Amino acid sequence: NAGVMQNPRHLVRRRGQEARLRCSPMKGHSHVYWYRQLPEEGLKFMVYLQKENIIDESGMPKERFSAEFPKEGPSILRIQQVVRGDSAAYFCASQGDGNQPQHFGDGTRLSIL
Amino acid sequence: GDSVTQMEGPVTLSEEAFLTINCTYTATGYPSLFWYVQYPGEGLQLLLKATKADDKGSNKGFEATYRKETTSFHLEKGSVQVSDSAVYFCALSDSNTGFQKLVFGTGTRLLVSP
Repeated sequence: NAGVMQNPRHLVRRRGQEARLRCSPMKGHSHVYWYRQLPEEGLKFMVYLQKENIIDESGMPKERFSAEFPKEGPSILRIQQVVRGDSAAYFCASQGDGNQPQHFGDGTRLSIL
Repeated sequence: GDSVTQMEGPVTLSEEAFLTINCTYTATGYPSLFWYVQYPGEGLQLLLKATKADDKGSNKGFEATYRKETTSFHLEKGSVQVSDSAVYFCALSDSNTGFQKLVFGTGTRLLVSP
């Protein structure tokens, strides 16, 4: 199955540590989206990237959060100095060119102690 | 900004019952509309979509019609199964942005009992 791969599936961090979430898009997809899902809520858009470029980061918190999608390798969502409120499920979706639907990974569940 | 409103859950039904999950939207342009399904511990899967007014999306017995006049995209299924138990999300994307930034509703949990 060559779907969207996210790892780790579960990540536990203590307050103040860094969290790195990885996303490998489907083969041939050059568009990556990150969404955050808080408990009992819908998904909220965070950032949209194409290879080596951030296209729209209007949903990203201004501090501590960053994202990249390098020429080689997976897309990375990085959260520095995590706080309890960062606890959520983070989903990555990839999309091919043209008006194709987004395909979602199974998410990373981040828990902050 | 754009937004999606879904009926609150959980929706509890017996097997073979008729299902309706209401969804209405607010958008400045002419969005594309989607229904996604999320099974426990998994990511979202696209269930169906519609890209313009009066389009009907359908898949696996589920249907939804894009109603511009009522800004709605209600999900229906004639006879639900236990395996349909999941959380269902209505979403839109603004076609004017040039990319598919999805705006989701809060989700509706469906529980189907035998």
